[in-house]
Amino acid sequence: QKEVEQNSGPLSVPEGAIASLNCTYSDRVSQSFFWYRQYSGKSPELIMSIYSNGDKEDGRFTAQLNKASQYVSLLIRDSQPSDSATYLCAVGSGYSTLTFGKGTMLLVSP
Amino acid sequence: GAVVSQHPSWVICKSGTSVKIECRSLDFQATTMFWYRQFPKQSLMLMATSNEGSKATYEQGVEKDKFLINHASLTLSTLTVTSAHPEDSSFYICSALVGQGAKGEQFFGPGTRLTVL
Repeated sequence: QKEVEQNSGPLSVPEGAIASLNCTYSDRVSQSFFWYRQYSGKSPELIMSIYSNGDKEDGRFTAQLNKASQYVSLLIRDSQPSDSATYLCAVGSGYSTLTFGKGTMLLVSP
Repeated sequence: GAVVSQHPSWVICKSGTSVKIECRSLDFQATTMFWYRQFPKQSLMLMATSNEGSKATYEQGVEKDKFLINHASLTLSTLTVTSAHPEDSSFYICSALVGQGAKGEQFFGPGTRLTVL
């Protein structure tokens, strides 16, 4: 059974700091990796996708993928209180369906 | 990103009634849409994959006769919860697939909060 593991948190960081969110997955043939942000009571919003090993940067967000270690992470630079949300890691194996982790709650304090 | 809408955003119904939820892709055509359910403080649970013009593929444990899915056009998929019971109360979220294969991305609708009395 495919599994995606995340620390549930909460991860607390002060405003302006770097938040580091981690995710591991069990299916070695996984090909696509996504980070979604979900505010309380709202639906998930796609913030990053990554498909190959290494780093991918988009504004304050950097996704990192290491397929050998089956590990994907999300770094948020200059964290803002508005970044406080649950971050969901999702993994796909090439057939469009995704397996989601349970999410990590991030709290950014002013 | 792609825009997906859902209607209604919330609904309250009596036990035993049926509820229909619509999911629309607003600025693109979606051959494939997905229906998820999320209980409080839990992650998303995929219920079914909806493909335009064909029968939906349901995940194990999801009753296809209770959760009817219709994807009659490239911009609309519907989920009907039949004979709803209080245990069906949940947050139902659809997503639409942009792109294909390994690089397809799912964009979510705003969700529908269902409360069954």
